[in-house]
Amino acid sequence: DAGITQSPRHKVTETGTPVTLRCHQTENHRYMYWYRQDPGHGLRLIHYSYGVKDTDKGEVSDGYSVSRSKTEDFLLTLESATSSQTSVYFCAISESMEPGYNEQFFGPGTRLTVL
Amino acid sequence: GQNIDQPTEMTATEGAIVQINCTYQTSGFNGLFWYQQHAGEAPTFLSYNVLDGLEEKGRFSSFLSRSKGYSYLLLKELQMKDSASYLCAVRGFYNQGGKLIFGQGTELSVKP
Repeated sequence: DAGITQSPRHKVTETGTPVTLRCHQTENHRYMYWYRQDPGHGLRLIHYSYGVKDTDKGEVSDGYSVSRSKTEDFLLTLESATSSQTSVYFCAISESMEPGYNEQFFGPGTRLTVL
Repeated sequence: GQNIDQPTEMTATEGAIVQINCTYQTSGFNGLFWYQQHAGEAPTFLSYNVLDGLEEKGRFSSFLSRSKGYSYLLLKELQMKDSASYLCAVRGFYNQGGKLIFGQGTELSVKP
């Protein structure tokens, strides 16, 4: 299994508070991704990174920011959490985005509840 | 626009064969992935198709027709442990970021 951990695994917070989720990898993969998964919507990309300090937006980036200061760590911050951000958040990594077999490996997920 | 369609739910019997379909309309195509996700767990990679045709991997096979924007995942000799959600995902062009777009998943229930 790819070495990906997420912390915390579960969190309950209140509306309006900032929240940071951490993804840590030991595979030295260049690409890292944050997704959210909600019933009826599947996995949706929030932000991704293609190298240290290089990030870009996904399809549902409003209300989220990310940072990557080291290859192994990718942080997702909810600047002011809202109830609509209650979800399961998955981090993923891949070695490349080039044509070929380069699948994404997923972390165990973080279940976030915003009250 | 980008759109990936899969049936929401399917039910099948242990030992049988089931086919899960996926149709897609995307602005770029650079491969199609199938993932399996058990309840409360992370998705895990099952198969990858980039050329037309069938890819076989043990009890699982995946088919792709690029001209029809269509793929299916075939599961043979179903086992109870195959009860899970199956996610179809299309990767865009490399110069568009090569990102994956996921369908909403097909929840498969295998019954004795």
